Amino acid sequence: DGGITQSPKYLFRKEGQNVTLSCEQNLNHDAMYWYRQDPGQGLRLIYYSQIVNDFQKGDIAEGYSVSREKKESFPLTVTSAQKNPTAFYLCASSMGDYRSYEQYFGPGTRLTVT
Amino acid sequence: GENVEQHPSTLSVQEGDSAVIKCTYSDSASNYFPWYKQELGKRPQLIIDIRSNVGEKKDQRIAVTLNKTAKHFSLHITETQPEDSAVYFCAASTGTASKLTFGTGTRLQVTL
Repeated sequence: DGGITQSPKYLFRKEGQNVTLSCEQNLNHDAMYWYRQDPGQGLRLIYYSQIVNDFQKGDIAEGYSVSREKKESFPLTVTSAQKNPTAFYLCASSMGDYRSYEQYFGPGTRLTVT
Repeated sequence: GENVEQHPSTLSVQEGDSAVIKCTYSDSASNYFPWYKQELGKRPQLIIDIRSNVGEKKDQRIAVTLNKTAKHFSLHITETQPEDSAVYFCAASTGTASKLTFGTGTRLQVTL
């Protein structure tokens, strides 16, 4: 299961605190993505990045922020502005072009905010 | 933006039977349609995909069909086995940045 890793597996935070989720890949992929998974709602795109130092909002970006300073890393910060942060967060990467559109997923981080 | 609808949300079949999961998409510019399988507690993994220049693709017991005119595509699993039990997600992409829009998932249960 190498290639793309996320840490930690479980994360607990108090309401009002920002929290950063880690995502690292050694697949030499240009594109990286963050999804949120809630029961019955599938995977919803939060942010994505096609190249270093560039990223775009997905469908549910409000209350989240990202950075892409290195090709291998795409951390996600869940801010206190996110109203319902408790969820399962999945990071993914892909070549991002015509060679292959397949997205490879990390193992996920389950965030619980109380 | 793209909208992908997936049906049914749950599907129960007996071992050896076939299972069909259907998806519709809204953006006629979409040209890439993958299917992911997510076992309980694990990450989604690609099981098959199809591009818009192909109408059907098969890989052993799994096949995907695409109807561009009707904007729908389907996953077919034949001779189902207990290890096929999982949640299956369809997705669609226009290819730009390979940004995927996912369906809401189908929980498939294969009973003995």
